[in-house]
Amino acid sequence: KAGVTQTPRYLIKTRGQQVTLSCSPISGHRSVSWYQQTPGQGLQFLFEYFSETQRNKGNFPGRFSGRQFSNSRSEMNVSTLELGDSALYLCASSFSGTASSGANVLTFGAGSRLTVL
Amino acid sequence: GESVGLHLPTLSVQEGDNSIINCAYSNSASDYFIWYKQESGKGPQFIIDIRSNMDKRQGQRVTVLLNKTVKHLSLQIAATQPGDSAVYFCAENDYKLSFGAGTTVTVRA
Repeated sequence: KAGVTQTPRYLIKTRGQQVTLSCSPISGHRSVSWYQQTPGQGLQFLFEYFSETQRNKGNFPGRFSGRQFSNSRSEMNVSTLELGDSALYLCASSFSGTASSGANVLTFGAGSRLTVL
Repeated sequence: GESVGLHLPTLSVQEGDNSIINCAYSNSASDYFIWYKQESGKGPQFIIDIRSNMDKRQGQRVTVLLNKTVKHLSLQIAATQPGDSAVYFCAENDYKLSFGAGTTVTVRA
């Protein structure tokens, strides 16, 4: 079956612009999580959506936002881009997500690599 | 705060040898742990997981050991192959995945 699909794979923006990243989860998965990966900070949790509701949010400024649609597809948006936002943004999906108890394995996409100039 | 860490940032292994990657965690309430492998240009890929009510779990060529007394995890890879070259992360599942910094494994031919 198809994996987690993220688009675009690569993009370049300038400071002050905004960006929207898209994620299509594995069919049947209702939870979508977003992570930021940088060489300095590693993998950091951004937020998790389940059935169109944000269940948890990491320690990122309000410039980072997301949403989930009724078909479980998700988008994240970063406004007023800063140089430090350059990173690999990873989307992961699962049946019930990490906010619920039990062993819920996240399947990651290949990521969207954002470069801010 | 709570954190998950790996002992060594890099590990060089001879092809055919066994690899051991270590990870320490600090949240004694953690009850679920996952190992991921990330190859260049790809997202993290699930390797194996373990619940806190287990001490050991085996997969294909991989074994995860959990020592709750010292809050330590290890991933053992048997007969390491060139395709095992990647960055390995341990992750602690609370309401989110908290990842360690990662260990880069390089397999020498």
